[in-house]
This record gives sequence, C-alpha cells and structure tokens, in this order.
Amino acid sequence: RKEVEQDPGPFNVPEGATVAFNCTYSNSASQSFFWYRQDCRKEPKLLMSVYSSGNEDGRFTAQLNRASQYISLLIRDSKLSDSATYLCVVNPTDSWGKLQFGAGTQVVVTP
Amino acid sequence: DGGITQSPKYLFRKEGQNVTLSCEQNLNHDAMYWYRQDPGQGLRLIYYSQIVNDFQKGDIAEGYSVSREKKESFPLTVTSAQKNPTAFYLCASSKGQGTSYNEQFFGPGTRLTVL
Repeated sequence: RKEVEQDPGPFNVPEGATVAFNCTYSNSASQSFFWYRQDCRKEPKLLMSVYSSGNEDGRFTAQLNRASQYISLLIRDSKLSDSATYLCVVNPTDSWGKLQFGAGTQVVVTP
Repeated sequence: DGGITQSPKYLFRKEGQNVTLSCEQNLNHDAMYWYRQDPGQGLRLIYYSQIVNDFQKGDIAEGYSVSREKKESFPLTVTSAQKNPTAFYLCASSKGQGTSYNEQFFGPGTRLTVL
C-alpha cells in the first residue's frame, strides 16, 4: 500500500462548479499535511497547509479526518486557472524533513 | 526577490557522463532536498540536508551524490551509475529544525534527458 494515495482523475469540472477530492494516508501518527498545486511541466507550489481539523483560503477548503486518515480539498466557484494537478503531501512525525507525496489528482476546468 | 533557483532548465547528457545540477536558495533555510519526478508518479526523495556539511540519503539515492558546503547551495551530481536518469529534478528548501511545520518550497526544476 502506498503511503499517500490519491485518485489520479482527471476531474472534469464546469467553470463555476464545485469539485472535491480526497487523499488517504497510511501513517496514523502524521501531524501536518499540505496541498500543493502543480501546473504541467512546472514545480509544485504550496496551496495550503493543514494542521488541525482543516483550513480555508478563499475558494479552497481543506478538511482533515484523522479517524479515517484522509484529507480532502474542495474548490468552489472553479476558474479555468484552477486547472492543474493537486498534490497531497504528508509530514509523518517520525521522519522530520521527509515529506510523503501523493502522485496527484488532475483537475480540468472547462468553459 | 527571495527564492530558489535551479540551473540549467534543460540538460542533455550522453550515457556514461556525470552531470551536476545546481540549486541555490536565498531564503535562509536550513534544510534542502532533491527529488525526482517521473511522468504520472509522485515525487521521490533522492537526498536531503538539514544543516551545512551534513546530508542523508533519501529513498532513491543510488547513482546520485550531493554536497552541502554552503547553506545556500545544494548541488546534485547524477553519475553514470544511475541507470535511468531521464527525469524532472526538483530542488526544495524548508526552514528546518526548530519550526513546528515543514512547508517545502520548490525551485523551477531541471529536466534531464539522457541521449
């Protein structure tokens, strides 16, 4: 089993709609989580950090479910510019500095 | 502007040659990392360094070497022993020890192709 698993997608979303997707992680001791956005052939860029039950930043909401060991990302009022691959990243507490990366979920926002 | 730079952006190498990828940061971060990304896969950690003059192997260190002589710089050498070096190489940095969280910030990457 992979340490961090994501649905690869693609999630095809009409502009203005809401899309949500999950990420599951295997290490129950993990304490901090991150969502990164990666555009095609570019570097990942930090979208948001999740330390407690969740975090909200504008149209983006991340929620953490420790009991079921997953985090979700919800994008409201999708824009064409939201088209990207979203990487779920987990920081296991027993391995400082070594983050665990999911393979990413592709989102395609269509006009 | 503060950030991480990597050079070159594209690199072509013949089989049997060693190449060195540059990574520089001016964020005053203690920790630096090297990853490789292959199509459709997540990032895999090659080496990381938490402090100057110290570094540790990541999950796929075979065929690679690094040095950390300066806080700002963490070059990666891809040796001829690396069997499948064609990939997208990403350098990252984070504040390091003493911080509660460990957000990593990435450079623009180097795309290496072995001919």
